[in-house]
Amino acid sequence: NAGVTQTPKFQVLKTGQSMTLQCAQDMNHNSMYWYRQDPGMGLRLIYYSASEGTTDKGEVPNGYNVSRLNKREFSLRLESAAPSQTSVYFCASSGTGGQNEQYFGPGTRLTVT
Amino acid sequence: GENVEQHPSTLSVQEGDSAVIKCTYSDSASNYFPWYKQELGKRPQLIIDIRSNVGEKKDQRIAVTLNKTAKHFSLHITETQPEDSAVYFCAASISGYALNFGKGTSLLVTP
Repeated sequence: NAGVTQTPKFQVLKTGQSMTLQCAQDMNHNSMYWYRQDPGMGLRLIYYSASEGTTDKGEVPNGYNVSRLNKREFSLRLESAAPSQTSVYFCASSGTGGQNEQYFGPGTRLTVT
Repeated sequence: GENVEQHPSTLSVQEGDSAVIKCTYSDSASNYFPWYKQELGKRPQLIIDIRSNVGEKKDQRIAVTLNKTAKHFSLHITETQPEDSAVYFCAASISGYALNFGKGTSLLVTP
């Protein structure tokens, strides 16, 4: 099992460009999440999908959109990248119901110039 | 929304000593409190969690305590080893899905 995978690993964008971060899990988990991690700020939730067909905003959703493509895949889109979106992005997944361990992917390091 | 504060931001201990990291939360409706460990350049991984109907939980050298009245919870690591060196994050959740993380504690265990 690969667990949670993310592509790409690294990306450099210019201000105003768009891109989609991809995430997939092979653990048959119902719930998936997108976080960003900035130095000294911990992990902040952007969006999550408690189950296939649902998405909800987290703490910092502005400037992002998500798509729960199917049970395995959850993508994060930046429509018009800004330097403030320079960060490390982590995808995670967890099993049925809340209060379950969240398994994280390896992360995507994004730089917006 | 929920606000989680974590202290200290850095902690240095000698191998074999104990380490304690404390977190406070603002929303009394929070009922799930996990702790994650993140080694340098790696992804966060769950090390222990506690639910609001439990006051303490232990797993070998790691324990977590929860005081619902005071709205704080703590991570205790005993007999620390160099491989315990990492950043530790506490989190609190109302729904069990959306985790609100503290800003992290960088623990250094020196031989």
